Amino acid sequence: NAGVTQTPKFQVLKTGQSMTLQCAQDMNHNSMYWYRQDPGMGLRLIYYSASEGTTDKGEVPNGYNVSRLNKREFSLRLESAAPSQTSVYFCASSEARQGNTEAFFGQGTRLTVV
Amino acid sequence: AQSVTQLGSHVSVSEGALVLLRCNYSSSAPPYLFWYVQYPNQGLQLLLKYTTGATLVKGINGFEAEFKKSETSFHLTKPSAHMSDAAEYFCAVSGANTGFQKLVFGTGTRLLVSP
Repeated sequence: NAGVTQTPKFQVLKTGQSMTLQCAQDMNHNSMYWYRQDPGMGLRLIYYSASEGTTDKGEVPNGYNVSRLNKREFSLRLESAAPSQTSVYFCASSEARQGNTEAFFGQGTRLTVV
Repeated sequence: AQSVTQLGSHVSVSEGALVLLRCNYSSSAPPYLFWYVQYPNQGLQLLLKYTTGATLVKGINGFEAEFKKSETSFHLTKPSAHMSDAAEYFCAVSGANTGFQKLVFGTGTRLLVSP
């Protein structure tokens, strides 16, 4: 049981390049999330998808787009990368979006924009 | 709105010593409270959570936390630290009847365990 799988694990981009971070979960969860983790700032929500076919902005959505491709997959796209987007990105999923639910996290994508 | 304050970005203990990681929260609704652990180069893993009921919550790996409404605290403890406990710990809060997307994380506390 793989849980939440993110690809790639590491990436270096030049300013202005684009890329898509992939996330897939095999737990049949309805809700999926993208976070970024920066030193001293904890995790901040970028976008989430409460259920297949829906997406909504989180706390820090600027510069990102997402696609809920199907129930399993939720991708994050950087259209024109900026150094401020250097971060560790985590995908997570949960069975439901109620506040008391447990989320399962992927191992993260470490992105550097130069 | 919810917020979380974790006191101390780093906590150092000796193996076998008590572990105490502090978390204070603010919530406009009855809170749901969580502790997550992140081992190096890993994602976050749920240690324990408080939603309703018993205020002393036991989690994995011998950790527990007590919800104290009067002190707006949810401190994490473990009686005896192991080397394998070295990791970063995040406290998080969401409000009852709000969605998981409203979960707010603290800035994290890195636990260092020395032999």
